[in-house]
Amino acid sequence: NAGVTQTPKFQVLKTGQSMTLQCAQDMNHNSMYWYRQDPGMGLRLIYYSASEGTTDKGEVPNGYNVSRLNKREFSLRLESAAPSQTSVYFCASSSPGTDTQYFGPGTRLTVL
Amino acid sequence: EDQVTQSPEALRLQEGESSSLNCSYTVSGLRGLFWYRQDPGKGPEFLFTLYSAGEEKEKERLKATLTKKESFLHITAPKPEDSATYLCAVGDSGAGSYQLTFGKGTKLSVIP
Repeated sequence: NAGVTQTPKFQVLKTGQSMTLQCAQDMNHNSMYWYRQDPGMGLRLIYYSASEGTTDKGEVPNGYNVSRLNKREFSLRLESAAPSQTSVYFCASSSPGTDTQYFGPGTRLTVL
Repeated sequence: EDQVTQSPEALRLQEGESSSLNCSYTVSGLRGLFWYRQDPGKGPEFLFTLYSAGEEKEKERLKATLTKKESFLHITAPKPEDSATYLCAVGDSGAGSYQLTFGKGTKLSVIP
């Protein structure tokens, strides 16, 4: 059981470049989430998917898009990266009937 | 707006010196209060969920308690391996049921 996996672990982009962060879970969870974590800030929700086929905006969605590819996979796309998107990105998932979220190892993104 | 405040921001303890971390919260209706542990460079690791005032949960040297306004994470006779950042989060029944609001964390250092 791998839990929640994320790729890549590290990424450096130039301003204006695009990229997709991948997330997969093998716990048969319905809900999946993308967060960003910045120094001095708590984890902030970017987007979430309550179930396959649905996505909703969180607290800080601007500059991001998401795709719930199937029940296992939830990707986060930066169409035109900006230095303000330099952060550590975490994916999480939770099972129905509980709000407990389980996190992946994170992707450390630097935008120059 | 949901608010979660953790104190202190940082705590240094000698090995064996017991102490408590505080998480105060404001929500319209508590769905659950969550404690996570985060090691440097890793994703948050789930510790406990508390649902109602008076509830307590224990795991090894950690004990979490909950009142109507705050939660405490008590650490008894800590060891150096307990060094980590401890995060608190709340789920609000009045908000989107899939969203958690996180505090900024308490960084615990246990000195041998």
